[in-house]
Amino acid sequence: GAGVSQTPSNKVTEKGKYVELRCDPISGHTALYWYRQSLGQGPEFLIYFQGTGAADDSGLPNDRFFAVRPEGSVSTLKIQRTERGDSAVYLCASSLTGAEAGGSSYNEQFFGPGTRLTVL
Amino acid sequence: KNQVEQSPQSLIILEGKNCTLQCNYTVSPFSNLRWYKQDTGRGPVSLTIMTFSENTKSNGRYTATLDADTKQSSLHITASQLSDSASYICVVSANTGFQKLVFGTGTRLLVSP
Repeated sequence: GAGVSQTPSNKVTEKGKYVELRCDPISGHTALYWYRQSLGQGPEFLIYFQGTGAADDSGLPNDRFFAVRPEGSVSTLKIQRTERGDSAVYLCASSLTGAEAGGSSYNEQFFGPGTRLTVL
Repeated sequence: KNQVEQSPQSLIILEGKNCTLQCNYTVSPFSNLRWYKQDTGRGPVSLTIMTFSENTKSNGRYTATLDADTKQSSLHITASQLSDSASYICVVSANTGFQKLVFGTGTRLLVSP
């Protein structure tokens, strides 16, 4: 079946502009996560959705960042007044639920290919 | 602060050789530890997942170990292939009610012919 898809794959914008990054999770996955990966670093957690609601947005760096998931499927990460420091790969992941499972069962997170954002 | 540290930062080995990557973590409360493979320009793909009660887990030529007492893990790759060239990221899931993943910075492996 189809995996997690993200669009666009690359986005170049100018400092101060507004950008939207889209994530299409695996069908049926109620949990969706956004991460940011800077060059040479591991991904860093931004926000977690369970269904339509943002259950944990503690990773968003400031109020220029906002994400929505109005129908519990597709999510959009919105960045206002972009800065050069926002340049990174933005990864989206989804899982069946957000909860950890016990024993040998895990709710694995499946990642999309990411959107590479470059702010000039 | 929850942290995951990996070593070495990068590694070059000859095709067919074995290698071992290391991971130390300070994430609490601990839920599970995962190793991901990330090819250039792609999202991470899960290799193994272990809870604190599991000491070792294999996935083909990949074998992960976990010592929950010392908070250390390793990923051993046997008979390396050119396609193993990638970044290998150690990830610890904090038991916060959902899968809040804490990623290491990764080890960049290059398998040379």
